Amino acid sequence: QVQLQQWGAGLLRPSETLSLTCAVHGGSLDIYYWSWIRQSPRKGLEWIGDINHSGKTNYNPSLQSRVTILVDSSKNQFSLRLNSVTVADTAVYYCARGSGGQDYWGQGTVVTVSS
Amino acid sequence: DIQMTQSPSTLSASVGDRVTITCRASQSISDWLAWFQQKPGKAPKLLISRASRLESGVPSRFSGSGSGTEFTLTISNLQPDDFATYYCQQYNVYLYTFGQGTKLEV
Repeated sequence: QVQLQQWGAGLLRPSETLSLTCAVHGGSLDIYYWSWIRQSPRKGLEWIGDINHSGKTNYNPSLQSRVTILVDSSKNQFSLRLNSVTVADTAVYYCARGSGGQDYWGQGTVVTVSS
Repeated sequence: DIQMTQSPSTLSASVGDRVTITCRASQSISDWLAWFQQKPGKAPKLLISRASRLESGVPSRFSGSGSGTEFTLTISNLQPDDFATYYCQQYNVYLYTFGQGTKLEV
């Protein structure tokens, strides 16, 4: 059974960098794309981007200048970095398997940006 | 970007009812549409992919249909566990986008 476990800092100041990691248990990073999605009351569910096992990425154009998704196949993990956060980046962040129609999700991380 | 519009935003129903949620895409997405169920404090759960393919373990009272720009999620014989928020998602064209959600309430 595939399980995704995610972790990272939950409270940030404006201009800091959001950093989250997602570990994949019970399955390999191969074959699939792996996504980051966030959810806020203001914008609902928002796809951030995805990556495959070889490191090929796709990003949401509205975030592309600030976002980096990386994969570490040796650890069966992938990660999200979002630079220069603002209060508008406050959301629950999820990692998930698949580009679309994501079938396995992490537990979610509440990220709050506040001065 | 492809806009996904769900209706209704809120749906009141009772146990045993049959309900239908509609999702419209701003342009054709073929059948690259997924439906998710989300309960408070939990991650979304995939119910249906490719517009009509029921995921393993999802009860058969859930069904999906449609192609192009108009899609429906139907839940027959509503059960207490089905009261939740439902989202559609298009994954035909990057940037993948979600509908705004339909809250199914008693």
